[in-house]
Amino acid sequence: EAQVTQNPRYLITVTGKKLTVTCSQNMNHEYMSWYRQDPGLGLRQIYYSMNVEVTDKGDVPEGYKVSRKEKRNFPLILESPSPNQTSLYFCASRVRGEGQPQHFGDGTRLSIL
Amino acid sequence: EDQVTQSPEALRLQEGESSSLNCSYTVSGLRGLFWYRQDPGKGPEFLFTLYSAGEEKEKERLKATLTKKESFLHITAPKPEDSATYLCAVQAGGKLIFGQGTELSVKP
Repeated sequence: EAQVTQNPRYLITVTGKKLTVTCSQNMNHEYMSWYRQDPGLGLRQIYYSMNVEVTDKGDVPEGYKVSRKEKRNFPLILESPSPNQTSLYFCASRVRGEGQPQHFGDGTRLSIL
Repeated sequence: EDQVTQSPEALRLQEGESSSLNCSYTVSGLRGLFWYRQDPGKGPEFLFTLYSAGEEKEKERLKATLTKKESFLHITAPKPEDSATYLCAVQAGGKLIFGQGTELSVKP
């Protein structure tokens, strides 16, 4: 089954404790992306990657890191999480090319105390 | 600045009561306008892509249309299972810019 898999689905942690949210897709997609979704603000793009070893900032990259060492994986790293990063996070992927729809994972709910 | 605005924020309909959701956008060089459906606790699910003004696409009770400045998602004779948040997004370069969504509730 074609899918985007995120782990963990839920995480409660404390300020300053480094964490990684993994994202994996099995569709051989070139493009992958991370979003956060907050009430009243909608989905906002954090980082995206057009292909292996190529990453670019989205609209809200501060406090986040990403890497794309393999085509199927695109982890999101919070080096020193803060409470304002408490949010619902989504990973997505698509094939290369304009106008191609993105396929989303089911989300990771992060709570940072 | 690239921007997407959806209205209304919330819409309550009776089963069978048709209506429309609006998505206004400003973007330099539209490369695609997307409609997604999002159910609680789930990621957005792709519905339609529209590329140019005048284009229309349909799927069951949903019909999406596009002009140079806005898109409409028409819902004909909705059913309770159409209840969800509907998201509009535009592609601008490598980025995808979302509106805040319209939360649709359809009562039997």
